[in-house]
Amino acid sequence: EAGVAQSPRYKIIEKRQSVAFWCNPISGHATLYWYQQILGQGPKLLIQFQNNGVVDDSQLPKDRFSAERLKGVDSTLKIQPAKLEDSAVYLCASTRGTSGPLGNEQFFGPGTRLTVL
Amino acid sequence: QQQVKQSPQSLIVQKGGISIINCAYENTAFDYFPWYQQFPGKGPALLIAIRPDVSEKKEGRFTISFNKSAKQFSLHIMDSQPGDSATYFCAAKTGGYQKVTFGTGTKLQVIP
Repeated sequence: EAGVAQSPRYKIIEKRQSVAFWCNPISGHATLYWYQQILGQGPKLLIQFQNNGVVDDSQLPKDRFSAERLKGVDSTLKIQPAKLEDSAVYLCASTRGTSGPLGNEQFFGPGTRLTVL
Repeated sequence: QQQVKQSPQSLIVQKGGISIINCAYENTAFDYFPWYQQFPGKGPALLIAIRPDVSEKKEGRFTISFNKSAKQFSLHIMDSQPGDSATYFCAAKTGGYQKVTFGTGTKLQVIP
């Protein structure tokens, strides 16, 4: 079973520029998450999709961040315009989204390391 | 109320020793408590998890101890090995849409 794929792995941009990250979850996984992990901290949930619907975006800075999950599969996260404090690793994760112990396990991608100069 | 507090921030253990990481939570709606292991440049990977109706779960050298009344849980790594050197995150999940809240992480270094 292929894991969660993310691209690019690294991105360096100037502040006020825009950037987009892509995630392909594990096939059949209904729930997709985007996390922001600042150096030395735990992952912070930005947005959670159930199929192609948003179920939690309470911590997403909506004035600059946006995300979509078309057709309930791939997802993109965009930042426009970027700020210095957006420098972090952006992690994508997915779960089957079903009840029971197997439905709970989150599988993470390798992340995209963003540096804003 | 959604916070998960984790300690220590960093830990150095000799090879063969026991590594202990502690977490505490406030929200009694949490119903699933996973631990994740993260190596540099990689995403977190599930290590072991427990439900609040169980007081202890063991998988190989890794054990979770859970104290529901105190709202605390801990990870014990027995016979710690240099290959265990990584950052460990505790987490807690609420039901429904399975929102996961992570602790702040513990950087473990196992020295030979």
